[in-house]
Amino acid sequence: GIQVEQSPPDLILQEGANSTLRCNFSDSVNNLQWFHQNPWGQLINLFYIPSGTKQNGRLSATTVATERYSLLYISSSQTTDSGVYFCAVGTGGFKTIFGAGTRLFVKA
Amino acid sequence: DAGVIQSPRHEVTEMGQEVTLRCKPISGHDYLFWYRQTMMRGLELLIYFNNNVPIDDSGMPEDRFSAKMPNASFSTLKIQPSEPRDSAVYFCASSLSSQKGQFFGPGTRLTVL
Repeated sequence: GIQVEQSPPDLILQEGANSTLRCNFSDSVNNLQWFHQNPWGQLINLFYIPSGTKQNGRLSATTVATERYSLLYISSSQTTDSGVYFCAVGTGGFKTIFGAGTRLFVKA
Repeated sequence: DAGVIQSPRHEVTEMGQEVTLRCKPISGHDYLFWYRQTMMRGLELLIYFNNNVPIDDSGMPEDRFSAKMPNASFSTLKIQPSEPRDSAVYFCASSLSSQKGQFFGPGTRLTVL
């Protein structure tokens, strides 16, 4: 089956810093999502982005489907950005495979 | 507009007991997903439905697990009999086929003693 690799596995930032999270996948996908799981366990959908670039406030994402990767950019990080960021991909229909996540801690 | 609703939020039971988890998707969404999250295996898709019909249940771990969706606003995930290794957080999510982003409920934390 398709493999999803996220990097880095852990990241510590000072408040105000910028960061880039990466998601590599081993096969062609027809959907890709980024999620944030906050420290209370809630999973929040950030982007549905099978290709191209999207922006939402301080967050933006880019997927280059032909090269099998996606990037999530966080600018001017805040302590509330802490948590785990997941990339999830689908190869057919709505079957979804999650990566292991990037754990982010933003220090005040 | 209410999000995905799950109940109970926490469940503690003893090995061998039947467990039923419940989910109400976002109104109008035509896809419903059940996931399990553990430290060892991460987030795994168990089963998903489209218009109340199970489409792919290849992630259901074994016959002890079953899921139903009797109508567009309700789904259950049942474990019978439960075992300690079933302890996990179970999430329900829903999606609209035209938009495809999945929206998750708060999860049910299951502990099997």
